[in-house]
Amino acid sequence: GAVVSQHPSRVICKSGTSVKIECRSLDFQATTMFWYRQFPKQSLMLMATSNEGSKATYEQGVEKDKFLINHASLTLSTLTVTSAHPEDSSFYICSATPGQGGNYGYTFGSGTRLTVV
Amino acid sequence: TQLLEQSPQFLSIQEGENLTVYCNSSSVFSSLQWYRQEPGEGPVLLVTVVTGGEVKKLKRLTFQFGDARKDSSLHITAAQPGDTGLYLCVEGGYQKVTFGTGTKLQVIP
Repeated sequence: GAVVSQHPSRVICKSGTSVKIECRSLDFQATTMFWYRQFPKQSLMLMATSNEGSKATYEQGVEKDKFLINHASLTLSTLTVTSAHPEDSSFYICSATPGQGGNYGYTFGSGTRLTVV
Repeated sequence: TQLLEQSPQFLSIQEGENLTVYCNSSSVFSSLQWYRQEPGEGPVLLVTVVTGGEVKKLKRLTFQFGDARKDSSLHITAAQPGDTGLYLCVEGGYQKVTFGTGTKLQVIP
């Protein structure tokens, strides 16, 4: 089945530094990938839709200059949290679909636990 | 992102009991998926339903899609501790994803 690899699984960084999270589709090509943020005991909140070869589409309230998304190839999207602050600490998850998402379903990465100290 | 309404939000039951989780929307779903997420992990796809009135079974899990395609339910028979997790209904098109509010299930041995 479709596999999405997300790396790193956990990262601790100092306030003011930047952190890059990678999301790779291992056995399929994904023209579209999604980035989510999840707070404890809550559902996933879509942050942005990453489109290969073009700019990401950000959800309302998500700072595009803070959460930089690059989708340079059909198998890799990256999310960079710039100038991280403690309030950016969260669980970040990516997903991708090999086809028309609704019928194929989405494959999720295993998530990245970011802690900013 | 618009959230689909799931109920209940939290559920704590004893092993062996049955339960049902509901997912509702004010608009018609194009299709709907159910996922289960364990702490510290990404959600894992359980099932996709597409046709109104559709019923799918996955071992002790039964998924139903409403005739009008505006609601769905997940029924678990004889719940096991391994069923513990966050259950999410998701509607997704190619460029748009809508998540349910989530149901956190705890099955006590």
